[in-house]
Formats: sequence, C-alpha cells, structure tokens
Amino acid sequence: KAGVTQTPRYLIKTRGQQVTLSCSPISGHRSVSWYQQTPGQGLQFLFEYFSETQRNKGNFPGRFSGRQFSNSRSEMNVSTLELGDSALYLCASRTSQETQYFGPGTRLLVL
Amino acid sequence: GIQVEQSPPDLILQEGANSTLRCNFSDSVNNLQWFHQNPWGQLINLFYIPSGTKQNGRLSATTVATERYSLLYISSSQTTDSGVYFCAVEPKGSGTYKYIFGTGTRLKVLA
Repeated sequence: KAGVTQTPRYLIKTRGQQVTLSCSPISGHRSVSWYQQTPGQGLQFLFEYFSETQRNKGNFPGRFSGRQFSNSRSEMNVSTLELGDSALYLCASRTSQETQYFGPGTRLLVL
Repeated sequence: GIQVEQSPPDLILQEGANSTLRCNFSDSVNNLQWFHQNPWGQLINLFYIPSGTKQNGRLSATTVATERYSLLYISSSQTTDSGVYFCAVEPKGSGTYKYIFGTGTRLKVLA
C-alpha cells in the first residue's frame, strides 16, 4: 500500500496570505490528523477528522481550519499567515483506534 | 492535561553501544507509540505499544501502563539510528482522538 502523501512538500508564503495543504491517507484509513512541529513548541495536535467530521481540535486560533472529503483526503487551511506559522505540518492516518502513520510533511516558511 | 516527559533529552553514543530511552506520562492512556524522526522530518513508526513488550530487530520497547512509563531499547546502535525519538500518547477517555507528543530524545551515533 502507498503511504500517507502530503502536498506540497515545501512552500514559501508572505505574511497575510493564506495557504492550503493537502493530505492523502493510506487506502482504507478513515481517520486523518494534523500536527504542527516548531522548534519552540514541538509537535502539537491541530485537529482530527473521521468520515468528514472533525472529532477533536487542538488549541490553535480560528485561522487554522481543515476539512475531510468523502474519499478521506484532507486539507488544512491557514488564513492571514503570521511569521510564527512557519513550521513543519504533518499529517497522519489510521484505521480507527490503533497505529498512526505519518506523511513526509509540508515545510511552510512565512516571510 | 496529560504531561509526557522523555529522557534523556540528548544522547551521544559510539557505534555498537546500547541505549535506553524513557517516556513518562502523567495519566492513563489508550494508546502509545514510539517514532523516529529522520533528518528530513519524516516520523517513522517504530512501535505501537500501549502495554507489554515488543521487539523488532535491534529495537525493543516495553510499556508498563500501571506505572505510566515506557522504555525504548536500542542495541548495537548504528549511525543510521541518529535522529530524534518521540514518544506519543493518546489520553484515555472518550473523544480524545489526538496524540500528545513528548519533547523527544535527540540521539547521535558516532562512527
């Protein structure tokens, strides 16, 4: 089976812009989670989707949003980008309760 | 919320040496995973181990859920083992669906 894929892999934006990141889970996985990794805050949970429903959300401002499509692919959007949003954004998928598998991540640089 | 502490924060080993990484968590968990983050940022799943002991080649892991800790053993370390090792837990209770990550152990194996 193909692993979790994320696009794009690298992205440079300027402050105030918005960005959309995409994640395709492993075939058959219906749960998709997003995490942000920064040197200062480490790995932090953003949100989790299952069957197009957001089941949990981390402690991030409303500028961070996401959605999941009927084929389980997920997107996350960050509006009005700030310098502090520069990070590695990781997506993970799993079947239901068990092992999470992570994608390669999207590196976002906000200038 | 649950706290996840990893020790040691940094570890330097000579190739061939053995090591033990520790993960302490402050509350009951549904799931626990160990990951290795490679230099490109990809999180590689090592073990899904909410309890018990597992082995995979030179790596093994033990989780004692009642005492709220997990250990990752690396034997006969190789330079390719270098990177950051993360422990991640999913807090017990309905409606969590998120992993809390520790701050990681940065391992460097010298040739």
